[in-house]
Amino acid sequence: QSALTQPASVSGSPGQSITISCTGTDVGRSDHVSWYQQHPGKAPQVVIFGVSKRPSGVSDRFSGSKSAKTASLTISGLHLEDEADYYCCALAPGSVYVFGGGTKVTVL
Amino acid sequence: QAQLVQSGAEVKKPGASVRISCTASGYTLTSFYTHWVRQAPGQGLEWMAIIDSTGGWSTYTQKFQGRVTVTTDYLDVNSLTFEDTALYFCAREAPGTGNLDLWGPGTLVTVSS
Repeated sequence: QSALTQPASVSGSPGQSITISCTGTDVGRSDHVSWYQQHPGKAPQVVIFGVSKRPSGVSDRFSGSKSAKTASLTISGLHLEDEADYYCCALAPGSVYVFGGGTKVTVL
Repeated sequence: QAQLVQSGAEVKKPGASVRISCTASGYTLTSFYTHWVRQAPGQGLEWMAIIDSTGGWSTYTQKFQGRVTVTTDYLDVNSLTFEDTALYFCAREAPGTGNLDLWGPGTLVTVSS
């Protein structure tokens, strides 16, 4: 399975919007692209699945999209509690999954 | 309240094996797939394997094929090396959604001589 590439870090000020990219061949060929938020010492939590679906209970400030081989997670109206690591995940051939390397979001 | 309960931390020597259990509480495990994901200290998430709700089908990432076995209740990792030191998570997926919507707290496995 191919790798998924994410930027190592993204930062923004409270109230701003940021976008995290996730690029890879498996993103391009899968509708099962999801995003996970992980705070230090905690288990990951899903914020987006199926490219753009938002689970119940997840703030509508989180949105997902995909174009060709790149998926994107946008966080609008950045809050301090959004500071965390974010991982994309895609379904690859053979019914295996692959995670991106993770992006550290810093709220300045 | 639905939750996944995992077994406690383990310390193993190189070459040993470890079994980590994952038990559903507050919902029926047989309605969901189970994923296993690990995270080495200070590193990112690494997907390992998936098993369906009946245990009839499972898939492993190539890196772990032959060394890792999953059932609906546990994960076995054989021939441990120092590089297997990590926090191991189980997570559930409603079949066909790709949505890992519930995660266990993780089980820390330390490989040390």
